[in-house]
Amino acid sequence: GQNIDQPTEMTATEGAIVQINCTYQTSGFNGLFWYQQHAGEAPTFLSYNVLDGLEEKGRFSSFLSRSKGYSYLLLKELQMKDSASYLCAVMDSNYQLIWGAGTKLIIKP
Amino acid sequence: GAVVSQHPSWVICKSGTSVKIECRSLDFQATTMFWYRQFPKQSLMLMATSNEGSKATYEQGVEKDKFLINHASLTLSTLTVTSAHPEDSSFYICSARDEGRETEAFFGQGTRLTVV
Repeated sequence: GQNIDQPTEMTATEGAIVQINCTYQTSGFNGLFWYQQHAGEAPTFLSYNVLDGLEEKGRFSSFLSRSKGYSYLLLKELQMKDSASYLCAVMDSNYQLIWGAGTKLIIKP
Repeated sequence: GAVVSQHPSWVICKSGTSVKIECRSLDFQATTMFWYRQFPKQSLMLMATSNEGSKATYEQGVEKDKFLINHASLTLSTLTVTSAHPEDSSFYICSARDEGRETEAFFGQGTRLTVV
């Protein structure tokens, strides 16, 4: 079966760095996405990785290792507004998105 | 970036009535749209894949007669929750794939449905 695993909840301090991991087992691979979702709102796109390596976009970076079925989202200089759920999703061979359950990130002052 | 508009943002209806939710791609054509349901503190659950001009493909366990999906044009898909019950209360989200950028899915704002 297809499976996406990510931690349920993480806590970090304002101004610090946090890494949210995601491991996956899917039928085929056409890229991995990270989305941010604030409570009561729809997800917003953060990043897309299809090749191995690190993609940096401002305070957010995303890493992919296809051989390990592993990705992480790195958030630097954390701000209170970064408190949200972070969803990892993999696009399988049918171009369908397989979603992880999301990681709730709590930022403390 | 591509914009997907979902309407209404929230709706309260009585048990037994039907509610229609619209999902529009504003600046691109979407031959495929997706409908998700999300319960509090849970991830997105794909309900169905909507294909323009053809019948929707429903995920296992989703009642197609209860959740009617119509994708009559390249920019509009609708989800109708028929004979709504309180257990249908949820957050419904649509997404659309830009065929020119197959690797991204763009989300509507979501619809908070409360059935009383």
